[in-house]
Amino acid sequence: DTEVTQTPKHLVMGMTNKKSLKCEQHMGHRAMYWYKQKAKKPPELMFVYSYEKLSINESVPSRFSPECPNSSLLNLHLHALQPEDSALYLCASSQEMALRVTEQFFGPGTRLTVL
Amino acid sequence: AQSVTQLGSHVSVSEGALVLLRCNYSSSVPPYLFWYVQYPNQGLQLLLKYTSAATLVKGINGFEAEFKKSETSFHLTKPSAHMSDAAEYFCAVTRTGANNLFFGTGTRLTVIP
Repeated sequence: DTEVTQTPKHLVMGMTNKKSLKCEQHMGHRAMYWYKQKAKKPPELMFVYSYEKLSINESVPSRFSPECPNSSLLNLHLHALQPEDSALYLCASSQEMALRVTEQFFGPGTRLTVL
Repeated sequence: AQSVTQLGSHVSVSEGALVLLRCNYSSSVPPYLFWYVQYPNQGLQLLLKYTSAATLVKGINGFEAEFKKSETSFHLTKPSAHMSDAAEYFCAVTRTGANNLFFGTGTRLTVIP
């Protein structure tokens, strides 16, 4: 299994809603990532988890809250979002090898619209 | 610090023509370079990667790239474009021990029948 899956595929939410994005991989990868991608722009790194611990937070607003319940799952909890948070949210995973560079495998993304 | 610059936000080629997408990198340490492709409303798929082994790297779908240290370049080529190659292409850089991928701004490839 070489897939990263993401649910839901599309999400529309109001500014007062609470919702969650889910990401799953069964490749045994120990590093998982959340990216935000606006239209016609490259992905921007939000968070990195390494061995289920948060290792990088790229100064993301607290209305985005990541969670890594186990080595296969990554969640992104959303609360009180703004319309400018509308974007494609991509999850990725990779092997964690200190002395080697390994590629990141991306999921198909969740298209989020905040009204 | 690492960064990549992709020259040309849009490239159009005729079907069957050579594809050349340009990427230049900046890195104070040996870089590791990647090309990813993104089809509309989809995630990113790895085309190929350079990790300091062979300087000419072959990838999927007939693409290849050559690492040229003297030119700090990692341009992506394909001898003959297919309609199915129309997509957004991203060059990215990282280094050993880092989890950060730094992406270029992307190049949209259009293939004209």
